Parts: sequence; structure tokens; C-alpha cells
Amino acid sequence: RKEVEQDPGPFNVPEGATVAFNCTYSNSASQSFFWYRQDCRKEPKLLMSVYSSGNEDGRFTAQLNRASQYISLLIRDSKLSDSATYLCVVTNSGNFNKFYFGSGTKLNVKP
Amino acid sequence: EPEVTQTPSHQVTQMGQEVILRCVPISNHLYFYWYRQILGQKVEFLVSFYNNEISEKSEIFDDQFSVERPDGSNFTLKIRSTKLEDSAMYFCASSDIAGGQETQYFGPGTRLLVL
Repeated sequence: RKEVEQDPGPFNVPEGATVAFNCTYSNSASQSFFWYRQDCRKEPKLLMSVYSSGNEDGRFTAQLNRASQYISLLIRDSKLSDSATYLCVVTNSGNFNKFYFGSGTKLNVKP
Repeated sequence: EPEVTQTPSHQVTQMGQEVILRCVPISNHLYFYWYRQILGQKVEFLVSFYNNEISEKSEIFDDQFSVERPDGSNFTLKIRSTKLEDSAMYFCASSDIAGGQETQYFGPGTRLLVL
């Protein structure tokens, strides 16, 4: 079973739309959670950490559901520049150095 | 804004040759990492390094691979006797301890092509 699973997409949405991605993780002892974005052939860049209480950064909202072992990312008022692959990242208890990446969800925002 | 840098950006090598990929982590960071991403696949952890020794490595990181911090700024990944399947993007990352939610910052990567 994969550590981290994501719907690969692509999600094709118009500008201004609201879009949500989910990510599930297999290890109930997982400790830290992040969303990174990756543009084509570029490095992953931190979008936001995900906290137990949920957190918001501008148009982006992340939620964690430990009981169901998933995290979510909501993007409001999508911009063309949001087009990218969104990577879910998880670390496990006692081994917070090792990032487990999902395969990513591709988002295409259309004019 | 401080950033992780990597050289070279691209490397082409013949199968069986040795390559050294170089990274300069963010200066006040304590933990260093190498990841790889085969084209079209997910980012995979290779190794983490702290206090001048390997703290964790994946099953991918076998005897073909080694890491070193030869001076106070560089962090290198050596791949001996390269194979075709070593062709990938290799990312270096670094982090410090920040309230338990340790964020890793990635360099721009080295694209390795083994022919």
C-alpha cells in the first residue's frame, strides 16, 4: 500500500473557480503534513504546512482529518498562475526527516 | 531570501561512470537531504544527513551512492558506476528545526542523464 495517495487529475477549472484536492495517508502515526507545489521540471516549493486545527493562507486552506487519515487543500478564486502539480507530503512519527511524497495532483486553470 | 543551490543543472554521463552532484544548503540549516524524481514519477527520498553522518536512508540508497559534506558549505551526492535507471532529477534539500514542523527547502535540481 502506498504511503501517500493522491488523485493525479488533471483538474481543469476556469479562472475564479474553487477547487479542492484530497490526499490520503496510510500510516496512522504520521506526524507532519505539508502541501508543496511543483511546476513542470522545477523543484517542489512549500505551499503550506498543515496543522491539526486547519490553517488558511490567503486563498489557500488546508485541513487535516486524522480519524480518516486525509488532508485537503482548497484553493479559492483560482488564478492562471495556480496551474501546477500539488504534492501532498507526510512524515512519520520518530522519523520526521523523511518526507513521503504523493504522486501529485495536476491543476490546470484556464482563462 | 536564502536558497538552496545545486550544480550542475544538467549532467550527461556514460553508463558505468561516476558522477558527483553538488549542493549548497541554506547556511544556518542543520539537516540535509537528497531526493530523486524519475521523469513522470513521484519524488523519492534517498538520504538524510545530520551532524556529519547519515541519519536515515532509503532502500534506493545502496552501496552505489554516498554523501559527503567536504567543507562547511557543500553537500555532495556521489553515484558510482551509473546505470541507465539512475537517469532522473536529483534534488537537494535542507531544513532546520522549527517548532517540530520541519519544513524542507529544495534546490532547483540536477537533471542526470545516463547514456
